[in-house]
Amino acid sequence: EADIYQTPRYLVIGTGKKITLECSQTMGHDKMYWYQQDPGMELHLIHYSYGVNSTEKGDLSSESTVSRIRTEHFPLTLESARPSHTSQYLCASSEWDSLNYGYTFGSGTRLTVV
Amino acid sequence: AQTVTQSQPEMSVQEAETVTLSCTYDTSESDYYLFWYKQPPSRQMILVIRQEAYKQQNATENRFSVNFQKAAKSFSLKISDSQLGDAAMYFCASMYNNNDMRFGAGTRLTVKP
Repeated sequence: EADIYQTPRYLVIGTGKKITLECSQTMGHDKMYWYQQDPGMELHLIHYSYGVNSTEKGDLSSESTVSRIRTEHFPLTLESARPSHTSQYLCASSEWDSLNYGYTFGSGTRLTVV
Repeated sequence: AQTVTQSQPEMSVQEAETVTLSCTYDTSESDYYLFWYKQPPSRQMILVIRQEAYKQQNATENRFSVNFQKAAKSFSLKISDSQLGDAAMYFCASMYNNNDMRFGAGTRLTVKP
């Protein structure tokens, strides 16, 4: 079944550690996105990609980095985790014509940095 | 820049009743799309309904319908015959010109049995 997968679902990690949040989709979508979601706040776009080897920063300043080496894979990396990175991270993907089809979201990764 | 505002952090409804979730947006674009997404607890966010701004007719999807007031920049979601499974966070979003989607802060809907 075509879907988008995020791992891990939950992660508790110590300050200073390097972490990679995984996101994979099986729908062949060109566009992929990372959003940061805090309780009671709107989703903030932190990174997006329009295809292989294309990555852009979103509106919300983030110390994370992303890569898009394969169409289906869009991992997000934090080189040195800090408590301020504690949040939920949502990955999404869309057809090129995202206006007509909207986004497909993953289940999210809830990150806690202690 | 587009902004989306959801003024109701929380709403509750009795099972089988009707509830309306509010959303206003601000854009200078003439052609754009509006969306409502549902995020159940610990589950994926899913698309509930979408509206194209150039269409005057309000979109409907089974028990879900919208009241789109373009001049007022208002896009409310009506859920009829509410069910326990409707309990979730609901996010209003806008998009124009195939650019990135902008979301509101969400409304947490509780359905009382």
